[in-house]
Amino acid sequence: SQTIHQWPATLVQPVGSPLSLECTVEGTSNPNLYWYRQAAGRGLQLLFYSVGIGQISSEVPQNLSASRPQDRQFILSSKKLLLSDSGFYLCAWSVGPTYEQYFGPGTRLTVT
Amino acid sequence: GESVGLHLPTLSVQEGDNSIINCAYSNSASDYFIWYKQESGKGPQFIIDIRSNMDKRQGQRVTVLLNKTVKHLSLQIAATQPGDSAVYFCAVPPGAGSYQLTFGKGTKLSVIP
Repeated sequence: SQTIHQWPATLVQPVGSPLSLECTVEGTSNPNLYWYRQAAGRGLQLLFYSVGIGQISSEVPQNLSASRPQDRQFILSSKKLLLSDSGFYLCAWSVGPTYEQYFGPGTRLTVT
Repeated sequence: GESVGLHLPTLSVQEGDNSIINCAYSNSASDYFIWYKQESGKGPQFIIDIRSNMDKRQGQRVTVLLNKTVKHLSLQIAATQPGDSAVYFCAVPPGAGSYQLTFGKGTKLSVIP
């Protein structure tokens, strides 16, 4: 069966510090991968998606970036965090051509 | 692009009653719809989906109704239980050929014991 992992589960970082969040998927090949951000009490905002290794599409201009160094690995990064980067970051996968996405447990990021 | 809206941000129901959560979408060409459940501090979990060639689909204690005429869908939960307390999102693909999803803002369901 397929599983998706995210780490860390929680993170507190000062403004201006770098960020690296990792997501890995097991049990499937060539998944579509997604990074979402969810502000408190809000819906899900799609940040990046990837249909293959090295293929990244950005939905929202920001100081975040994403990379996909391996088929089932998706990384969210920032060189310098802003206060507004605080939120709940969710990674998801799907296998095309399907719409159904499966989410990881999320990372709670607090920028202080 | 597609926009998705929830009618009520919060809903409180008595345990054992039925719950109805509503969602409106903007693109009349949308052909697939998903409901997700998100418990506090966790990632969203798939509940049920429906394609546009159907008006109704039933799962275990849940039913999704689709009204394409008014671009509205609803999630009905029968005999609501405390474990149903969560935020519920509807999600719709933004357009043809895209396997992304546009999520509504969510309705927080609180079950009163």
